[in-house]
This record gives sequence, C-alpha cells and structure tokens, in this order.
Amino acid sequence: GESVGLHLPTLSVQEGDNSIINCAYSNSASDYFIWYKQESGKGPQFIIDIRSNMDKRQGQRVTVLLNKTVKHLSLQIAATQPGDSAVYFCAENLIQGAQKLVFGQGTRLTINP
Amino acid sequence: NAGVTQTPKFRVLKTGQSMTLLCAQDMNHEYMYWYRQDPGMGLRLIHYSVGEGTTAKGEVPDGYNVSRLKKQNFLLGLESAAPSQTSVYFCASSFSGNTEAFFGQGTRLTVV
Repeated sequence: GESVGLHLPTLSVQEGDNSIINCAYSNSASDYFIWYKQESGKGPQFIIDIRSNMDKRQGQRVTVLLNKTVKHLSLQIAATQPGDSAVYFCAENLIQGAQKLVFGQGTRLTINP
Repeated sequence: NAGVTQTPKFRVLKTGQSMTLLCAQDMNHEYMYWYRQDPGMGLRLIHYSVGEGTTAKGEVPDGYNVSRLKKQNFLLGLESAAPSQTSVYFCASSFSGNTEAFFGQGTRLTVV
C-alpha cells in the first residue's frame, strides 16, 4: 500500500505486506529529516533519520528514501506487523545548522489481520 | 534512565487561569522544545531552547512563555489560558539541532 502524504492521511495494508508512506517537505534548504511513529496516547517515537547528503538509509524493516529534486521523503516498512499500526510523521529541520524541527500532518497506518 | 518527563499529565483550567508545564530531561541535552498537537494534526513548535538561559520562538508562540533556568528543565507557561489552547503538549530534547529529538509522554490540557 502507498500513501500520498499530506493529501491521504490514512493507509490500510494487510499484515505481512510492505507499506510506503510519503511526505512532501517544504524547504529545499532543509538538511535533516526524521520519521516518527506515534501510537495512541503516547509521544512520538524515533524510527529513522536521514541527512541531505544521502538519498537512502536502511534500518530494521524500515527504509527512508530522500529525493531532494522534488522535495519528497518516503518511509518503507517491510513485512508489516500489527504493532506497526500508528500515525507516522515526517519532520524536517528547516534551517541548516539550526534547531527548527517542523512536522508534517501525519499518516495513519492501519494493519489488517 | 527516565528520558524526558512531563508534569502534569492531565489538567483542566478555566479561561483566564494560569499554569506552568514542567519538562525535565536527564540526558544532558542542550536543545529542548515545546510542541502542541491538535486533533488530526501534526506537532507545531511553540518555543525552543538551544541551551541554559536561552529561549526562542517557534511557529505558534503567542499566549505562551518559556524559561530555561537549568539545563535539564524547560518550563512552559500560560499566563491567561484560552479555550484555543486546549491541546496536547509535548516536550522534547535533543543533543543538537541535527540529531534525534526524544519526546515526553505529553500533557493533555483542557481550557473550559
């Protein structure tokens, strides 16, 4: 399953499938990007980050892709599990060397059994 | 290791009342942040601090004040609460501006 970031805030996938969550960021000068996972009633939890000098980074079952040409960020989750159900936010650091982390609207991912 | 701790977890205020939200971190982080999260929306930055004794405005600073008298604590104050400030407030801290931010569990504030 694939989302279109801010314009499609919900995504449902079958357990075991791969999911792709997209995010369009605002500032071409942003140099640092993070994906967070937020479960109901909890604070955001770090998943993976990427710096602007990279276009891909992999973690455990997750991959982040960065396309600076079109200002697009995606999070790929492999072999989704029920525990992956949450809201996923991308965040960009607006100013190089500064401290302003700005969040996108978020995408709700639901894993169907 | 407690990480980032927010107090209180819940609070109900009447319009015009004041209150202070406390954030404490035990990771020796320089940077601390206050965000608000409204239903169905992402987090919006209220104020942030890049070190003890410093504060700066974020995206939505109006109606709030902050102080960072000690490195480990970041206080968010509402001088005269308004219903529009009903929200969930999250505090976060990070080692630098370009590293992962760790979040607290949030404070749910209702202004009636």
